[in-house]
Amino acid sequence: AQSVTQLDSQVPVFEEAPVELRCNYSSSVSVYLFWYVQYPNQGLQLLLKYLSGSTLVKGINGFEAEFNKSQTSFHLRKPSVHISDTAEYFCAVSDRNKAAGNKLTFGGGTRVLVKP
Amino acid sequence: NAGVTQTPKFQVLKTGQSMTLQCAQDMNHEYMSWYRQDPGMGLRLIHYSVGAGITDQGEVPNGYNVSRSTTEDFPLRLLSAAPSQTSVYFCASSHLSGRAGETQYFGPGTRLLVL
Repeated sequence: AQSVTQLDSQVPVFEEAPVELRCNYSSSVSVYLFWYVQYPNQGLQLLLKYLSGSTLVKGINGFEAEFNKSQTSFHLRKPSVHISDTAEYFCAVSDRNKAAGNKLTFGGGTRVLVKP
Repeated sequence: NAGVTQTPKFQVLKTGQSMTLQCAQDMNHEYMSWYRQDPGMGLRLIHYSVGAGITDQGEVPNGYNVSRSTTEDFPLRLLSAAPSQTSVYFCASSHLSGRAGETQYFGPGTRLLVL
């Protein structure tokens, strides 16, 4: 069984300031890690994912995340946010075992509100 | 490509009514799934399918049925709606390659209100 905790439910941030969204997970098996973004009144789209290799993953729109296995974390960062980054962000994991398919376990989400 | 499409966008039901939420994808994805989104709880998996004729339960399957007769379509049925099923429902699809970790493509969602 897996669980994902997003430590902040809401993060207000000023335009051009940096932002970090925290994600911790718990799992008895090895996992893949994802960040998805949901813009207002839309479905989710993938920001980035960690499958293997370098623990620093770069995604779309200037976002990056770092996998820390010892701390079971996968925090998302952006050095300078824009108004258009206002959205809800979801951290998710999936079991590496292919027999488990592509089932995702999501965190509760973090709402980012970028202020001018 | 239209990607993943869902209908209707919004629906109001009375307790006890039934309805079907439609989901279709045109990307020839083997894997399709349904999630519900509730405030503060993220998305939770209801049912999923790894191919036509094959479905399985997710985390919160009670009160929902699915079937997969074609690769493209994966409808979700509510047999007797309850207020606890008020939620936003998302359909997602992906390829099913030799490993997990495939990117999921989500539809725009169906907002359901059960009175």
